Amino acid sequence: EAGVVQSPRYKIIEKKQPVAFWCNPISGHNTLYWYRQNLGQGPELLIRYENEEAVDDSQLPKDRFSAERLKGVDSTLKIQPAELGDSAVYLCASSLDWRGRSGSTGELFFGEGSRLTVL
Amino acid sequence: AQSVAQPEDQVNVAEGNPLTVKCTYSVSGNPYLFWYVQYPNRGLQFLLKYITGDNLVKGSYGFEAEFNKSQTSFHLKKPSALVSDSALYFCAVRLYSSASKIIFGSGTRLSIRP
Repeated sequence: EAGVVQSPRYKIIEKKQPVAFWCNPISGHNTLYWYRQNLGQGPELLIRYENEEAVDDSQLPKDRFSAERLKGVDSTLKIQPAELGDSAVYLCASSLDWRGRSGSTGELFFGEGSRLTVL
Repeated sequence: AQSVAQPEDQVNVAEGNPLTVKCTYSVSGNPYLFWYVQYPNRGLQFLLKYITGDNLVKGSYGFEAEFNKSQTSFHLKKPSALVSDSALYFCAVRLYSSASKIIFGSGTRLSIRP
């Protein structure tokens, strides 16, 4: 079974430029997460989707960040314009319905991450 | 408020010795608890989880964790450390009875010396 796939793995841009990250979750996983991980720190949730619906985007900086999950499968996370402080690793994760209806207990499966460097 | 704490930024252990990575949590309901490991330039990998039942849970790579409700702890353990266990370890907590929010600790860097 293929895992969570993210691209690009690495991206270097100058500040004020736009950038986009793509995520393909594990087949059948209805819940998709975008996390940001700063160096030496734990992941922090940006947005969570259940199918096509963004059910928790309270930590997403909406002035410059946007996300979409068309058809409830793949997702993209966009930053426009990027700032120096956006340099981080952006992690995508997916899981089955956590409330046990599918027998899942909600562990997340992560992609390799997209490392963004803003110069 | 829901939170998880990893009080040690770094743990150093000699190869072959037992290791413990500490985690404490604070939730108002019944928690689901997880441990993840992250190797350099990689995503997080699931190690083990506590949902209910036996307080000692076993996971991947010989790791185990002990759930202690009275101390609100979920420490990660291994009887005999390997150099290849050197990595960043994250504890995470999720509430069963509310929205599907999962909170990660700040991480503990485990360093195993030969």
